[in-house]
Amino acid sequence: NAGVMQNPRHLVRRRGQEARLRCSPMKGHSHVYWYRQLPEEGLKFMVYLQKENIIDESGMPKERFSAEFPKEGPSILRIQQVVRGDSAAYFCASSPARGDRRGGIQYFGAGTRLSVL
Amino acid sequence: SQELEQSPQSLIVQEGKNLTINCTSSKTLYGLYWYKQKYGEGLIFLMMLQKGGEEKSHEKITAKLDEKKQQSSLHITASQPSHAGIYLCGADLNQFYFGTGTSLTVIP
Repeated sequence: NAGVMQNPRHLVRRRGQEARLRCSPMKGHSHVYWYRQLPEEGLKFMVYLQKENIIDESGMPKERFSAEFPKEGPSILRIQQVVRGDSAAYFCASSPARGDRRGGIQYFGAGTRLSVL
Repeated sequence: SQELEQSPQSLIVQEGKNLTINCTSSKTLYGLYWYKQKYGEGLIFLMMLQKGGEEKSHEKITAKLDEKKQQSSLHITASQPSHAGIYLCGADLNQFYFGTGTSLTVIP
């Protein structure tokens, strides 16, 4: 049973380009979460999605960032017109149920390290 | 301010020593997760605590949840170099938060 798969592992973009980060959840998991880890900072929640729905995007920057989790295929975190401050490690997690007090454990991928030149 | 504060921020111990990491929440805890992160890698799930007073152990790692104090502790007995990494607590406080992290170094 494969774990959470993220690709690419490393992504280099120039300022102004678009970055697309992919996350395939564990088999049987319909809940996906995206987090960002900035250098010297902690892991910050960005967005929580279920298949075809955004449940909570309170942690997403208002502009340039979007996420989707289509019926078929991986979840995508898209960053348009990247800036140097977007350089970070982006982690995806999945759970079989909502990852909260109801006990849906989140399992993490290895992350995508985005570097903006 | 941080919703989940961890202490200490970093820890260096000699192999074989015991250690404790604490996680304190600013809000009521209904459950708490512990993860470990190695440099450059993703988070590995360690344990989930759901009830006040609950205590769980896995190999040499024990975690406890004190709901009244809004705290959890992670205790490692007879530490080994393989325990080195960053330990993170996490909880759903209307949004999922992670703690500030504790970096553990174990000297052989």
